[in-house]
Amino acid sequence: DAKTTQPPSMDCAEGRAANLPCNHSTISGNEYVYWYRQIHSQGPQYIIHGLKNNETNEMASLIITEDRKSSTLILPHATLRDTAVYYCIVRVWGLGQNFVFGPGTRLSVLP
Amino acid sequence: DTEVTQTPKHLVMGMTNKKSLKCEQHMGHRAMYWYKQKAKKPPELMFVYSYEKLSINESVPSRFSPECPNSSLLNLHLHALQPEDSALYLCATRRADNSPLHFGNGTRLTVT
Repeated sequence: DAKTTQPPSMDCAEGRAANLPCNHSTISGNEYVYWYRQIHSQGPQYIIHGLKNNETNEMASLIITEDRKSSTLILPHATLRDTAVYYCIVRVWGLGQNFVFGPGTRLSVLP
Repeated sequence: DTEVTQTPKHLVMGMTNKKSLKCEQHMGHRAMYWYKQKAKKPPELMFVYSYEKLSINESVPSRFSPECPNSSLLNLHLHALQPEDSALYLCATRRADNSPLHFGNGTRLTVT
């Protein structure tokens, strides 16, 4: 299983873009990158995932480097409600796979 | 709103009690997961069911007993728990091979 490393905490000003990095230097060719976030006392919320192409949805953008050894989650206009712990997970294709969470990044959006 | 429903939301039990946590989904997802989360820690995987069969048990003590009676329902039976088992217990489901996990909002368990 590829391991991920993320900074333990980050701050971002409200209205600015939040760029959250994730290193996954041992990722293999069939492993996807998934991002989740968890707001206090709630279950983790899925944000986005990708294999090698950049992805965008209504919540965020995912930029994966060409060598796939790192990725960045971008929240284009952070709001106070985006304050949460953000988790980056890499996982192979397969239904019963074990999604293992690392410590994540605690993002604080400041007014 | 979540499409994965966990009940109860809160549970307080003594060390000699037997109780069960319930997780229900009607999205047709065929993989179901139990996680345990202690305060200020990431979720920790306990069990994975794939097509109603247990596929992963992360060396969880036998006082936790999972059950998947059908494709919509996942239970976690609890017996003789310890105070250190107090945590948020999260259920998650997954539709297909590269689809993401969908989480419920958890059951907050306190063992006294």
